[in-house]
Amino acid sequence: SAVISQKPSRDICQRGTSLTIQCQVDSQVTMMFWYRQQPGQSLTLIATANQGSEATYESGFVIDKFPISRPNLTFSTLTVSNMSPEDSSIYLCSVRGLAGSHTDTQYFGPGTRLTVL
Amino acid sequence: AQTVTQSQPEMSVQEAETVTLSCTYDTSENNYYLFWYKQPPSRQMILVIRQEAYKQQNATENRFSVNFQKAAKSFSLKISDSQLGDTAMYFCAFMRYSGGSNYKLTFGKGTLLTVNP
Repeated sequence: SAVISQKPSRDICQRGTSLTIQCQVDSQVTMMFWYRQQPGQSLTLIATANQGSEATYESGFVIDKFPISRPNLTFSTLTVSNMSPEDSSIYLCSVRGLAGSHTDTQYFGPGTRLTVL
Repeated sequence: AQTVTQSQPEMSVQEAETVTLSCTYDTSENNYYLFWYKQPPSRQMILVIRQEAYKQQNATENRFSVNFQKAAKSFSLKISDSQLGDTAMYFCAFMRYSGGSNYKLTFGKGTLLTVNP
């Protein structure tokens, strides 16, 4: 099965700064997504990362706060900008369309635990 | 909008026993997919089992099986011969087709399962 990695695995940041999270898959995938999981909560979709074009954001999430890049079929980044303590969450990369898997099935990276002081 | 409800915030089971986690969902769609994911303390989201709504047969994966009742919109997960490593948060998820290739995955709030020795 494919390996999905995220960097960093965790970070502690000061308010007002920005953090970029990387997601790398060891094989090409059709779709890549970014989720947020606030403490003790379920997962909320932030956006779909589109290769070579602007990401598609869900209601309540905007590009200025969460800029996303996807330069190719195996890599994406999520930036959390101008952070506040409310941004403290786990951020998860997710992919769909892995070779050999069902097209509807999503797999997740290990997550990045972000704490904003 | 689709909703996924997990009515049991927490459950516990003795090692080697069987436990069933409940999930109901609300949709007007006829074709969709259902999933169970587990998230152990390591926070990695791991796919447990997948069910296609147009299939009557309940999915099974080793010790994990589902009871899919389409008319009742119910999708429970049975874990047999529970092991300590099954301790995790379990999320039920629903996926519908929302146009193009943009399937949307909706998660329930999760059930924290503790397996006791």
